[in-house]
Amino acid sequence: KNQVEQSPQSLIILEGKNCTLQCNYTVSPFSNLRWYKQDTGRGPVSLTIMTFSENTKSNGRYTATLDADTKQSSLHITASQLSDSASYICVVTPRGGSYIPTFGRGTSLIVHP
Amino acid sequence: DAGVIQSPRHEVTEMGQEVTLRCKPISGHDYLFWYRQTMMRGLELLIYFNNNVPIDDSGMPEDRFSAKMPNASFSTLKIQPSEPRDSAVYFCASSFLAPRGAQGGYTFGSGTRLTVV
Repeated sequence: KNQVEQSPQSLIILEGKNCTLQCNYTVSPFSNLRWYKQDTGRGPVSLTIMTFSENTKSNGRYTATLDADTKQSSLHITASQLSDSASYICVVTPRGGSYIPTFGRGTSLIVHP
Repeated sequence: DAGVIQSPRHEVTEMGQEVTLRCKPISGHDYLFWYRQTMMRGLELLIYFNNNVPIDDSGMPEDRFSAKMPNASFSTLKIQPSEPRDSAVYFCASSFLAPRGAQGGYTFGSGTRLTVV
């Protein structure tokens, strides 16, 4: 069964600090991996997308990395801001079959002033 | 494009009542997904359509749940009768099948927060 596990479940950091969120997956074969940001009361919004041949992708202060050999991804947030407080969801899409993505449970990030 | 549009944003209903959630996907997208999100279980796929045809409804929790897509621009998720444990946020998402099989343009609506009392 395809699974996506995220850690930590929740994280509290001070404004201006960096942090790294982790995602491990078992989806295989693998097509792409996305990181979504979900603000409270809103739908998830895509931050980055990486195919199996890419190992890093940046979007402003967000940098995602991918190690397809170990089936791990991380999302690094630099110089955090209060607006970064949200849930971050890792989503992995298989290659072939239904192409339906598998969602992680998300990491809840709180940035304190 | 206005994105994926869901209505209503909030719904409060009494147990036993029928609830209908609505979704308008992005024009040109040929996949439509219904998800339910709770604190305990995260995002769960309920059902998805391809070209208006239901492909996989194995995530629909019970016969009380039904979904339709009468045309490419509209879908409904109905719960009849509703129960308190159905309280959750229901999201609709749409996408298209890009070359090499990736799900392109995967976009979520803002969700409908359902409370059944």
